[in-house]
Amino acid sequence: SQQGEEDPQALSIQEGENATMNCSYKTSINNLQWYRQNSGRGLVHLILIRSNEREKHSGRLRVTLDTSKKSSSLLITASRAADTASYFCAPFAGGTSYGKLTFGQGTILTVHP
Amino acid sequence: EPEVTQTPSHQVTQMGQEVILRCVPISNHLYFYWYRQILGQKVEFLVSFYNNEISEKSEIFDDQFSVERPDGSNFTLKIRSTKLEDSAMYFCASKGRAEAFFGQGTRLTVV
Repeated sequence: SQQGEEDPQALSIQEGENATMNCSYKTSINNLQWYRQNSGRGLVHLILIRSNEREKHSGRLRVTLDTSKKSSSLLITASRAADTASYFCAPFAGGTSYGKLTFGQGTILTVHP
Repeated sequence: EPEVTQTPSHQVTQMGQEVILRCVPISNHLYFYWYRQILGQKVEFLVSFYNNEISEKSEIFDDQFSVERPDGSNFTLKIRSTKLEDSAMYFCASKGRAEAFFGQGTRLTVV
């Protein structure tokens, strides 16, 4: 298993603006997942993108994956104060289905009302 | 929607005491995990469990820690003799095919 590196470390925006977070990883993957963590709470799965996909949408979320650059981005459109949280990417190499997910420091997103 | 549930939500214990953290994973999942998060730090992997045995563990998961799935539904983490540095949020997770689902955590405070 490998850890993704999220960038930026912190992002502060106004409600209604878009938020873009980036993730880089080092080795080949089977899929990449994005999670959200509200302060002091458990991680919530947001979206999974497989290695053969380039873009995926879910509501106000848009994820892209560039396997040649070993990078992914998460775009949250029309952000809301409730989107304030830490966001983590988790690249998954596959191989064994019980493989753990490993998390980096994340991007702390603050959306001001 | 199915969810992972953890009990208790908060546990305060004296240093040196044993604690058991409990988790009920999603019923048709086969892969189970414990993670911990020390205040202000990242979420760290402790152990994964599959087919009634540990499949992988981190350096953090030393002899003081053990996991068990005693009755086919509960999944427990035991810390035999707690230390001050064990104070953290402990998260249980379960996985079906790809996505992992996390519980809300147990905040363990060792005094």
